[in-house]
Amino acid sequence: RKEVEQDPGPFNVPEGATVAFNCTYSNSASQSFFWYRQDCRKEPKLLMSVYSSGNEDGRFTAQLNRASQYISLLIRDSKLSDSATYLCVVNDGSSYKLIFGSGTRLLVRP
Amino acid sequence: EAGVTQFPSHSVIEKGQTVTLRCDPISGHDNLYWYRRVMGKEIKFLLHFVKESKQDESGMPNNRFLAERTGGTYSTLKVQPAELEDSGVYFCASSQDGGVGEKLFFGSGTQLSVL
Repeated sequence: RKEVEQDPGPFNVPEGATVAFNCTYSNSASQSFFWYRQDCRKEPKLLMSVYSSGNEDGRFTAQLNRASQYISLLIRDSKLSDSATYLCVVNDGSSYKLIFGSGTRLLVRP
Repeated sequence: EAGVTQFPSHSVIEKGQTVTLRCDPISGHDNLYWYRRVMGKEIKFLLHFVKESKQDESGMPNNRFLAERTGGTYSTLKVQPAELEDSGVYFCASSQDGGVGEKLFFGSGTQLSVL
């Protein structure tokens, strides 16, 4: 079983759609949770950290359920520029090492 | 402000050859990390430097990989001798404090192809 599991997609949605990604993680000791975005042939870039209380940044909302070890990302009003791979990332227990999911690919079409 | 820079962006070598990758972290960042993504797999941790010291090298695949960070500035990752399974993208990242939950800044990676 992978340490961080994500649906690889691709999710193919029209502009303006709302799309949700989910991920599960196996290490109950993980303390930090993130969504990174990776464009084709580029480096991963932090999209947002994820907090237990849930957090929102513009069109993006992230949720964390520690009991279920489940993280989600909601994108509202999708833009063409949102097309990318979204990586679910958690830290390795109490350490600074990051554990990456394989990513979920999003394609937003006109 | 310059970001994390990596050199070369691409490297194509034959099995058995040696390759050295370089990473220049963001100025003032004491923490430097190497990660890699091999074909079809997720990005995985290789090692972590705090200044010039190796804090954790538990992710290094085997003794063909050697990382250094002389003077606590730039870092090199040498693969000697390279094998086919070493092909992938090698990312370097840096952070200021190295704390759990701290934002990492990634370089654009070195695409290594071993033929």
